Amino acid sequence: AQTVTQSQPEMSVQEAETVTLSCTYDTSESDYYLFWYKQPPSRQMILVIRQEAYKQQNATENRFSVNFQKAAKSFSLKISDSQLGDAAMYFCAYRSGAGSYQLTFGKGTKLSVIP
Amino acid sequence: NAGVTQTPKFRILKIGQSMTLQCTQDMNHNYMYWYRQDPGMGLKLIYYSVGAGITDKGEVPNGYNVSRSTTEDFPLRLELAAPSQTSVYFCASQYQSGNQPQHFGDGTRLSIL
Repeated sequence: AQTVTQSQPEMSVQEAETVTLSCTYDTSESDYYLFWYKQPPSRQMILVIRQEAYKQQNATENRFSVNFQKAAKSFSLKISDSQLGDAAMYFCAYRSGAGSYQLTFGKGTKLSVIP
Repeated sequence: NAGVTQTPKFRILKIGQSMTLQCTQDMNHNYMYWYRQDPGMGLKLIYYSVGAGITDKGEVPNGYNVSRSTTEDFPLRLELAAPSQTSVYFCASQYQSGNQPQHFGDGTRLSIL
């Protein structure tokens, strides 16, 4: 079974600075997808960014980018120019490329943004 | 476009009571999922469905049942509520395989007292 590990329960960043959230995963599959979801206090699950394992190029979405290291099974999220609205729980998630496509989540990292 | 709609948003049950959490999506998605989120944890899969009439167990199915009679609806049933089922429940849907993301509802906060 796949596992997802987020080793940082809490992180903080100064407004306008850059922060990196860590995620590692364990799998024997070669075809899979990785996601970062944001959960603000409103508890909505909001997709931040996604990465296909077969793509070597790291995904980017505006201020959000990932560092995908397939051999190391690492998938970190970098948030640039942090804003107060970025404060939330961030979950890393894994999905197999076959089968039911269920998501396996890490335990999350709580990000605080300091004005 | 409403997306994934869950009702109710909050509910308090007594031990042993039953209830159904409703989930409906208007995106014509084949795949639907029920997750639970316990405090300080990520989401864990309860049940999923790959189409009308097809359901299967996830990681934590005990104490729950589901049905999928239509593409749009995927209700989750708790038959005999127990304190261990106190959690936030999320329904999600997905169009097809590949890199399509799952779309989540706003969640139902359920307390069993």
